[in-house]
Amino acid sequence: GAGVSQSPRYKVAKRGQDVALRCDPISGHVSLFWYQQALGQGPEFLTYFQNEAQLDKSGLPSDRFFAERPEGSVSTLKIQRTQQEDSAVYLCASSLGPGQGMETQYFGPGTRLLVL
Amino acid sequence: DQQVKQNSPSLSVQEGRISILNCDYTNSMFDYFLWYKKYPAEGPTFLISISSIKDKNEDGRFTVFLNKSAKHLSLHIVPSQPGDSAVYFCAASSGTYKYIFGTGTRLKVLA
Repeated sequence: GAGVSQSPRYKVAKRGQDVALRCDPISGHVSLFWYQQALGQGPEFLTYFQNEAQLDKSGLPSDRFFAERPEGSVSTLKIQRTQQEDSAVYLCASSLGPGQGMETQYFGPGTRLLVL
Repeated sequence: DQQVKQNSPSLSVQEGRISILNCDYTNSMFDYFLWYKKYPAEGPTFLISISSIKDKNEDGRFTVFLNKSAKHLSLHIVPSQPGDSAVYFCAASSGTYKYIFGTGTRLKVLA
């Protein structure tokens, strides 16, 4: 079956520009996660959705970062007024959801964002 | 403060030999551990996991060992193949959805 997909795969933005990154999770997966991966680092948690509810946004680095999943499927991560330090790979992951045993998260290919 | 550490940034192994990748953690509340493999320009791919109630889990060529007293886990790949060349991340969670990742180890399997 289809895995997690993300678009665009690459995005170049000028400093101050707003960007929107899309994630299509595996069909039927209740849980959805966003991670930020800086160069040479491991993925770092940003936010977590269970269906359409954003249950944890503790990892979002600033109020310029906003994520939504209005219908409990596709999710969008929006970054307003991008800064150079936002340059990173943004990874989306999904999992079956709570009550399904330990949740193994399945990752998409990521969106590489470069802010100039 | 890094709760999950992979102290070897890189490792080279001859094809057919064993690859051993190590991971240390500091949080004793972690009870679920995973290994992911990542190729360039792709997302991490789940490889194998282990619950803290076990000390070993095996899947084909891949075995994960967990030493809770030492707060240490390792991934063994036997025999190593050139297609195993990738960056390997360990991750840990404390019974919740939130994974904490290490910084990764780049494995190169030489033909």
